[in-house]
Amino acid sequence: QSALTQPRSVSGSPGQSVTISCTGTSSDVGGYNYVSWYQQHPGKAPKLMIYDVTERPSGVPDRFSGSRSGYTASLTISGLQAEDEADYYCCSYAGSHTFALFGGGTKLTVL
Amino acid sequence: QVQLVQSGAEVKKPGASVKVSCKASGYTFTSYAFSWVRQAPGQGLEWMGWISTYNDYTDYAQRLQGRVTMTTDTSTSTAYMELRSLRSDDTAVYYCARVPYYYGGNGYYPTFDYWGQGTLVTVSS
Repeated sequence: QSALTQPRSVSGSPGQSVTISCTGTSSDVGGYNYVSWYQQHPGKAPKLMIYDVTERPSGVPDRFSGSRSGYTASLTISGLQAEDEADYYCCSYAGSHTFALFGGGTKLTVL
Repeated sequence: QVQLVQSGAEVKKPGASVKVSCKASGYTFTSYAFSWVRQAPGQGLEWMGWISTYNDYTDYAQRLQGRVTMTTDTSTSTAYMELRSLRSDDTAVYYCARVPYYYGGNGYYPTFDYWGQGTLVTVSS
């Protein structure tokens, strides 16, 4: 099964909003409510930012939000801050034969 | 607080095996499953498999079937990942991650809520 499709890079200025897309199929993103998003700073372990498409773990700022339309999930970061500059990965359940499918990752640059 | 502490970096020759450990603390070990995820240098995340700490059920990524084994030791709250017949393209940082149980969904799904710090495995002759 192919990886989920994410843009290689996005950018925005402090205070602006950016959206990162994650496109799959009816067998993964479009078929289950188990899409999650991870933030990874250089040399660090990934951190859970969004789970179950729209849910935010405690401690994650409400500037981070998740949504889905059809086969595409999205992570929106509003009020961009310098510390948001990182790589972001989406992940989806893809059925009993493919427990987890990751996107290729998106590098967010805060200008 | 929840902590997952992994073993140190390893250097292995092609064809050898490596076993990485992940010691958990700060929660009830058997209430969560574990998954392993790796990241080759400069590349994205790759899911490797998961194991239930309740009944040792395992599910491995198809491309690693036959080379990977995941186990747990409930007496020490430690999860292990062994990879055999190492190749140069197995060079990566290996992460363990905790997987919560979904009571509504009656199973485990890929939400990785806590991660270990990562273990660099270098395969080189």
